[in-house]
Amino acid sequence: SYELTQPPSVSVSPGQTARITCSGDLLPNKYAYWYQQKVGQAPVLVIYKDRQRPSGIPERFSGSGSGATVTLTISGVQAEDEAEYYCQSADSSGWAFGGGTKLIVL
Amino acid sequence: QVQLVQSGAEVKKPGASLKVSCKASGYSFTSYYIHWVRQDPRQGLEWMGRINPNSGGTDYAQNFQGRISMTRDMSISTAYMEVSGLKSDDTAVYYCGRGGQDPYIDQWGQGTLVTVSS
Repeated sequence: SYELTQPPSVSVSPGQTARITCSGDLLPNKYAYWYQQKVGQAPVLVIYKDRQRPSGIPERFSGSGSGATVTLTISGVQAEDEAEYYCQSADSSGWAFGGGTKLIVL
Repeated sequence: QVQLVQSGAEVKKPGASLKVSCKASGYSFTSYYIHWVRQDPRQGLEWMGRINPNSGGTDYAQNFQGRISMTRDMSISTAYMEVSGLKSDDTAVYYCGRGGQDPYIDQWGQGTLVTVSS
């Protein structure tokens, strides 16, 4: 497996746009996935295959990618979006998770 | 609705073995992989491996090979993950999750807290 790098934290005010990045050498060739984890809860999938949104996930969550960096964008952030966000990818040797980014809603 | 319900918290001594169960409901158990992921403050999220409930075939992460075993009981739609030779570093929350052909988890269990302490 390989490493995925995320910023430790991102802070935004309610209603603003939050962007969380994830970098890794294999991301140009492999899909990225994003999970939201609130305190004391299991992770929840919010984006799959770089930019696809599962049913039930609000439209304000979107994903994009450019080269070795993928980005989770949350538009019009709400207080309920405060959580830890993890990116994940995989290759033939296994899976890798980023270290997580704490989204702080001011 | 899709649900994965895991067994309860465990306290184990170093050197002991651990077996966690994951009971699936709300979908065809044999149509999706069951993955196991653990989470601790030092290592973060760590993928341990997966089992194909239909065939019983497994893939284990290199870090855990030789120390883990994943099995299933199709009659009760339940997957199991066993870890042997527990160390204090194995203290973590262990999650099961459902996955398809693509490498991600679309539904997670609630997690099982495992504490390894003498």
